[in-house]
Amino acid sequence: EDQVTQSPEALRLQEGESSSLNCSYTVSGLRGLFWYRQDPGKGPEFLFTLYSAGEEKEKERLKATLTKKESFLHITAPKPEDSATYLCAVQAAGANSKLTFGKGITLSVRP
Amino acid sequence: EPEVTQTPSHQVTQMGQEVILRCVPISNHLYFYWYRQILGQKVEFLVSFYNNEISEKSEIFDDQFSVERPDGSNFTLKIRSTKLEDSAMYFCASKQAYEQYFGPGTRLTVT
Repeated sequence: EDQVTQSPEALRLQEGESSSLNCSYTVSGLRGLFWYRQDPGKGPEFLFTLYSAGEEKEKERLKATLTKKESFLHITAPKPEDSATYLCAVQAAGANSKLTFGKGITLSVRP
Repeated sequence: EPEVTQTPSHQVTQMGQEVILRCVPISNHLYFYWYRQILGQKVEFLVSFYNNEISEKSEIFDDQFSVERPDGSNFTLKIRSTKLEDSAMYFCASKQAYEQYFGPGTRLTVT
C-alpha cells in the first residue's frame, strides 16, 4: 500500500527565516511526486511534479527536491503570504493512478 | 486560465437523502477524479474516471456512490442515501497528462 508521511505537522517561521518541509514515501513504482498548496476551505493548488531521484524544481521562494525515499520543499525567505498547508502526494505507476496524499504541513509565517 | 469548477459550494442535507455534487473539469482534460477530505484529515481518493467508465475506486466508494459524465462538460458524484460520516469536503480533479488540477470543493454537511 502506498504511504506518505509529512513532517513536521506544523511549522511556525518568522518572515525571512528559511526552512524545509519533509515528505517521506513508499510506493510501488513511482510515477510522480506532487506538491500542492492548500488554503483553508479551498482546493489543493498544484505547485510541482517530480519524477525521478535527483530532480529539482523551483518557483519563486519554493524549491522541491526528490530522492528515492523522500522529497523536501525548501522555503527561502518566506513571507506571510506563504502561510498555508503544503500537501505531498504520490502517484504509482499507471497512467490513471490515484494520488495518495500525506496529512500536510501547516506553515505559519509571522511578519 | 482554465480551472475546475464545482457546485454547489456548500450543501446541507438530512441523513438518508440523495445528493448530487457537480463538477466542470478543464475542457481538454480526459481523466477525472473525486476525492474527499474529512475535517482535519488527509485528502482521500474516491474514484477515477476515463473514457466514460470507472478506472479505479477506493473502499470508500461503495454502492451508495456513483459517478456520471452526462454530457461533454459535466462530471457528477451522486450519494444515494447520505450518512453522517459522509460530511466532508468533496473535491473534483481533472488532468490531461500528468498533473491533477483540483476544484474549490463542495462542503457537504449531513445532519
